[in-house]
Amino acid sequence: NAGVTQTPKFQVLKTGQSMTLQCAQDMNHNSMYWYRQDPGMGLRLIYYSASEGTTDKGEVPNGYNVSRLNKREFSLRLESAAPSQTSVYFCASIRSLAGDTGELFFGEGSRLTVL
Amino acid sequence: GDSVTQMEGPVTLSEEACLTINCTYTATGYPSLFWYVQYPGEGLQLLLKATKADDKGSNKGFEATYRKETTSFHLEKGSVQVSDSAVYFCARFSGSARQLTFGSGTQLTVLP
Repeated sequence: NAGVTQTPKFQVLKTGQSMTLQCAQDMNHNSMYWYRQDPGMGLRLIYYSASEGTTDKGEVPNGYNVSRLNKREFSLRLESAAPSQTSVYFCASIRSLAGDTGELFFGEGSRLTVL
Repeated sequence: GDSVTQMEGPVTLSEEACLTINCTYTATGYPSLFWYVQYPGEGLQLLLKATKADDKGSNKGFEATYRKETTSFHLEKGSVQVSDSAVYFCARFSGSARQLTFGSGTQLTVLP
């Protein structure tokens, strides 16, 4: 099973450029998440999608947009990249059924550098 | 809001030493608690979990007990191995908000 797949794994951008991080899961999960990981700060939630057709802001949404394309796919877009967005980005998913205890499944991460 | 406070690292131990990584959480509601592990160059993997007070999660020799009275979920291992070198994250899940909140992570290095 592929689980959660993110592309690209590495990307270098110049300030002001735009790009989209793609995420797909093959586990028929309802909820999907985008986190960023920065040294000493753990993982911080950018946006999440509780179910197909819905998206909500997390802790650090500024500078990002998301699209829940269908149940499988959840993309993260940087419209005008800034050096402060240099980070490792993780996509995750969860079943979100009644009684779900909250185990998220993570992709391998996308390392983004903004020059 | 919900938060998780985790012992800062880095932590360096010799092989076969005892490990404790402290974690405390905000007591809002009845969260599920987790320890995730991140090996170099990889994504996060679930290490263990506990869903209610007094539950003990265990996996690969690691243990953590859900202590409601002290709002803690400390990670312990009696004898660490070089292969345990990784970053460890404590996390709490809010069922109502459907969100997982992470601690800042603790880098563990085990020397042979």
